[in-house]
Amino acid sequence: GAGVSQSPSNKVTEKGKDVELRCDPISGHTALYWYRQSLGQGLEFLIYFQGNSAPDKSGLPSDRFSAERTGGSVSTLTIQRTQQEDSAVYLCASSATGRGINEKLFFGSGTQLSVL
Amino acid sequence: DAKTTQPNSMESNEEEPVHLPCNHSTISGTDYIHWYRQLPSQGPEYVIHGLTSNVNNRMASLAIAEDRKSSTLILHRATLRDAAVYYCIQSNFGNEKLTFGTGTRLTIIP
Repeated sequence: GAGVSQSPSNKVTEKGKDVELRCDPISGHTALYWYRQSLGQGLEFLIYFQGNSAPDKSGLPSDRFSAERTGGSVSTLTIQRTQQEDSAVYLCASSATGRGINEKLFFGSGTQLSVL
Repeated sequence: DAKTTQPNSMESNEEEPVHLPCNHSTISGTDYIHWYRQLPSQGPEYVIHGLTSNVNNRMASLAIAEDRKSSTLILHRATLRDAAVYYCIQSNFGNEKLTFGTGTRLTIIP
């Protein structure tokens, strides 16, 4: 596709359930980022994948959060045993080389997660 | 993480220029300044970025102070579609992720 695609666009779940959020980056982009945005807040970095390197997981808030990137393309963010404070918009971005210092990030429209 | 300072909100009249300020007093010689904006219910979109010299593109201009401790994003002629949250980000060499603050909420008055 032409841009970063995220699915689902909306997800409502019950507290304690596991959820999976998907991101399809722009074809050929080697770097992929996950951020989350709570209501009225800025973006909070979660995790960063760059090529075959070990991911930078420094932003994951707890061990309930994990992410994979298969084949250097699609990524899945998994939240286990969801809590109400996990409710937020989860945003995925990709960039061509991962040299964030001097290149553009392209964002998807996000997944709105609501934990009841 | 590198920290930038922006006003929480600004207003501007439609069809007039808008100057959005950003302070980045801890910037080093290899750090870039990036601007993104986020329209309602959308992910952020790239606006412009630069290192030392002023930069222009079809969306905006970026004016970087001579000491690089501040910069200004210039929208030459604001439209209602420019109403968004504008993020100023300082990128650190060797740290490939961009850290977003809370940005400036720009309101355009018709």
